[in-house]
Amino acid sequence: GAVVSQHPSRVICKSGTSVKIECRSLDFQATTMFWYRQFPKQSLMLMATSNEGSKATYEQGVEKDKFLINHASLTLSTLTVTSAHPEDSSFYICSAQDSDTQYFGPGTRLTVL
Amino acid sequence: EDQVTQSPEALRLQEGESSSLNCSYTVSGLRGLFWYRQDPGKGPEFLFTLYSAGEEKEKERLKATLTKKESFLHITAPKPEDSATYLCAAGDGGFKTIFGAGTRLFVKA
Repeated sequence: GAVVSQHPSRVICKSGTSVKIECRSLDFQATTMFWYRQFPKQSLMLMATSNEGSKATYEQGVEKDKFLINHASLTLSTLTVTSAHPEDSSFYICSAQDSDTQYFGPGTRLTVL
Repeated sequence: EDQVTQSPEALRLQEGESSSLNCSYTVSGLRGLFWYRQDPGKGPEFLFTLYSAGEEKEKERLKATLTKKESFLHITAPKPEDSATYLCAAGDGGFKTIFGAGTRLFVKA
């Protein structure tokens, strides 16, 4: 149980385009989901907390107009990177909360050319 | 300020050489202490949740323990496939989860 999927697993896009990443909880409902960014050999950096039916809460320094989060249902949250630039290239990981525990997706490798 | 500190940053073991990873935490109203395993290029995989001091949980060669200030992840007779980064996280009373920087474990055959 407690499986979280992410799609796509990797994406390459041109600078200036937008990219959408989906995060789904497959066998449980998640009122709260989280979006993280991870740089090579570093720990997770929380970007935002996504609550179903309400606006996401962004961490300090994260541009909400650049990283759009939509949590439209209890099993789906999406992260859209708008007008992507090479510095947005990173590993993005989502998690979904089931009771006290966060369960993570497999991650999405974004490369912006 | 809530904080989670893991040590060592990296640990190199020979196959079969048991050891422990440390996680020190300072959190108001601990909701749970979590351990994850992360392989390169993948999302963290959930291992354990501990709720109160004195609690222990085991899974194969791994055993997690909890005190009021620390948690330990004991690895008994590790194998090369146990090589990974192990992340510790503490949940506070406000439903925020604070992650440590992780311990990179290398097990050599």
